[in-house]
Amino acid sequence: DTEVTQTPKHLVMGMTNKKSLKCEQHMGHRAMYWYKQKAKKPPELMFVYSYEKLSINESVPSRFSPECPNSSLLNLHLHALQPEDSALYLCASSQDGLAINQPQHFGDGTRLSIL
Amino acid sequence: AQKITQTQPGMFVQEKEAVTLDCTYDTSDPSYGLFWYKQPSSGEMIFLIYQGSYDQQNATEGRYSLNFQKARKSANLVISASQLGDSAMYFCAMSSMDSNYQLIWGAGTKLIIKP
Repeated sequence: DTEVTQTPKHLVMGMTNKKSLKCEQHMGHRAMYWYKQKAKKPPELMFVYSYEKLSINESVPSRFSPECPNSSLLNLHLHALQPEDSALYLCASSQDGLAINQPQHFGDGTRLSIL
Repeated sequence: AQKITQTQPGMFVQEKEAVTLDCTYDTSDPSYGLFWYKQPSSGEMIFLIYQGSYDQQNATEGRYSLNFQKARKSANLVISASQLGDSAMYFCAMSSMDSNYQLIWGAGTKLIIKP
């Protein structure tokens, strides 16, 4: 079992829907991440929160909106997505995101399909 | 520019044999960390092993060891006594101050263990 929990595991939505992905960790980590991963490719970084503040936004379209309500929770709000947004969305956490020796711990991911 | 190269898109290995997955990296930063992750078809990204650029000893974690050759800029993963459950995608990744402590990922190697 992973220590980073993501819900839902699968999500199918239309292009006009609004939905949210949720991520929770209880390891006391202060950095949390969202990645997008297409099949047979490495993960692509989307957002990084460090100490509950957005520290990195990798030029992600505004139809993806991250939120970090507290140090244990990370949400990704989705609105008006496109078919090319269908992918596996991975959440990860690390101690504080400010050192080279901190492994990121990942959740099981949410498989998102846009109809 | 920082880069991770995994030259083996796929590998087939007989069960119980040892496996070496190749990873070479490029960075001008003298301080960096190298990571290996395993991703089964179910999607979760599992941290396996870490090697720091200043570590004198090669890292080991159970059946996993990292063959770190700094002069060659190589960080190969060795899996001893392979098992059917080792079948997965394996990613090599690097973190450094130059990457703002974010992971630079290789393209991955798909490993299939044959019974």
